[in-house]
Amino acid sequence: EDQVTQSPEALRLQEGESSSLNCSYTVSGLRGLFWYRQDPGKGPEFLFTLYSAGEEKEKERLKATLTKKESFLHITAPKPEDSATYLCAVPAYSGGGADGLTFGKGTHLIIQP
Amino acid sequence: SQTIHQWPATLVQPVGSPLSLECTVEGTSNPNLYWYRQAAGRGLQLLFYSVGIGQISSEVPQNLSASRPQDRQFILSSKKLLLSDSGFYLCAWTGGADTQYFGPGTRLTVL
Repeated sequence: EDQVTQSPEALRLQEGESSSLNCSYTVSGLRGLFWYRQDPGKGPEFLFTLYSAGEEKEKERLKATLTKKESFLHITAPKPEDSATYLCAVPAYSGGGADGLTFGKGTHLIIQP
Repeated sequence: SQTIHQWPATLVQPVGSPLSLECTVEGTSNPNLYWYRQAAGRGLQLLFYSVGIGQISSEVPQNLSASRPQDRQFILSSKKLLLSDSGFYLCAWTGGADTQYFGPGTRLTVL
């Protein structure tokens, strides 16, 4: 069974203090790894898709990287508005022509001013 | 551009009452549609997906059902709600690529 594990569960940083979030996965034949940001009471917002080991993608203060067993979401010089829960997910092959996503439980990130 | 809507935004229902949540997508045709539930302390769990009108697949046995009466409309229903049905219900769509885009969600509380 495909599994996605995120760590840490929660992270509190000072504004400007860079750090990384981890997402480890066990899937047979990775067909993409997805990062989302979720604000309280809202639906997840798509950030990145990574398909192969060594791939990197950036958006503002965020950079996502992928290895054969895990992905990292690096946050550089974060601001309070970066506070959110960050979710990673992998496709869960269902055989029915549409893959749902298997999600980790997320990392709750708080950036203090 | 594509937009996904869900309603209602919040709902409080007694145990044993029926349920109907609606999701619609604008700006695309023949999307794959998904229903997820996010319960407190748990990750998002896939409930149903649909690749076309009238085509529904269920991922987990449960007290819920789904229907797709129109190309861009996806409905989540229950005949009798249980306390365990409480949660945040999210609808998502893809247009042929891998990325799923989520709606704003419906917060359901069953009392």
